[in-house]
This record gives sequence, C-alpha cells and structure tokens, in this order.
Amino acid sequence: DIQLTQSPSSLSASVGDGVIITCRASQSISGYLNWYQQKPGKAPKLLIYAASSLQSGVPSRFSGSGSGTDFTLIISSLQPEDFATYYCQQSYRTPYTFGQGTKLEI
Amino acid sequence: EVHLVESGGGLVKPGGSLRLSCAASGFTFSSYSVNWVRQAPGKGLEWVSSITSSSSYIYYADSIKGRFTISRDNAKNALYLQMNSLRAEDTAVYYCVRDPSYGGLRYFDLWGRGTLVTVSS
Repeated sequence: DIQLTQSPSSLSASVGDGVIITCRASQSISGYLNWYQQKPGKAPKLLIYAASSLQSGVPSRFSGSGSGTDFTLIISSLQPEDFATYYCQQSYRTPYTFGQGTKLEI
Repeated sequence: EVHLVESGGGLVKPGGSLRLSCAASGFTFSSYSVNWVRQAPGKGLEWVSSITSSSSYIYYADSIKGRFTISRDNAKNALYLQMNSLRAEDTAVYYCVRDPSYGGLRYFDLWGRGTLVTVSS
C-alpha cells in the first residue's frame, strides 16, 4: 500500500496567516493527489484534486502543488472558517489511502 | 441540488451483519463511480470500497475483504454495503462518496453526511 505522511500533524496559526501543509508519499504517485478539509461533525470537503486543480467553489486562497512523492497545500491568508483538519489522499492506485491529517488550530 | 444520503447504520453485536444504503439524487448516478469511506471515532479517514459506474470493477480494502460486499442499483440510484462478520474495529461513521473519474483522475467530490455503525456487545 502507498503510505502518505502529512506534516505537521497539528498547526497553530492566526487569521491572516499563510500556512503550508505537506504530504509525502511512500512511492511516486505522479499527480494523483487530492486534498480535503473536514470540520468537526461534518463530512470532508474536496479542496484540491490532481495535486493543483482547485475544486469549483473553493476560495482561491487555497492552492496545491507537487508531483511524484512531495506535495503541498497552501492557504494564503487564513480565514476563521479555515480552522479544520486537512487530509491528503492518493488516487494513484487502490487502496486509496489518506494521510493521517493535519489539525489547524487558532 | 445534488445529494447522497446514507442509512442503515446502528448498533450490532460482534459477528453480526448490517446493510448500509446510500440514496443519490440531483445527478446522473449511473455515470459515476461511488465509494464507501469510513472514519472511526476520533480517527482519520479510511477508504473501504469502490464500484465503477456499471459495476464492472470493484475494489476493497484488505481490512474488510471477504466480509463486506459493495453493490449498486442504477435504476434506483442506490449504493449498498453489505457488512458481515462485523468486528469492534469496524465501528465508524461510513460515508458514501462520489468519484467523477474524470479524464482518468479519481477524486471524491461529493460526500454524504455519513451513518454511524457501532459494533459492540
């Protein structure tokens, strides 16, 4: 199975800050990497697919980059509604594994 | 508006069975692959199973292989997960998730609210 390792596991930031979350795959997954946001008690929400494509309706302060084994999610200017847990996911091959999550806190 | 609505969760004893359902609306269900993804209490996300639009290809996580069966009924816009030989570690919220499988890309763009399965004696 392809393992995904996110860093950091948790992150404290303030409104207006920029943050970077990284996701490293245990083998090359080309650009088959997606990012999701999950708030407590809610279903995850797709933010970025194929490493860098912004899902419709997602604010442009979210961006993604990377290929191969190293990927990043960047939030350029944190808004109050961005405090949540973020997961990366590979869709290169089954099982479609997720990273362990990054909890973004105030 | 597009929706996925899960049902069928509940409390079941170890070794028991449960059948989850997912009702799709607002889009052409038969054009999409669909998946089950679960989340144990306080834990991360775990992909469980996937079925392509015409049921031609089915995939399972090793953790549930041989115990769970995914199926779909495109005429009823419905997805199912038959869960047998349930274990305590299967306790989780189970999400029904759409995958557009667009241009060879796979991603989960629509999620249901989830249904809680609790396996306990």
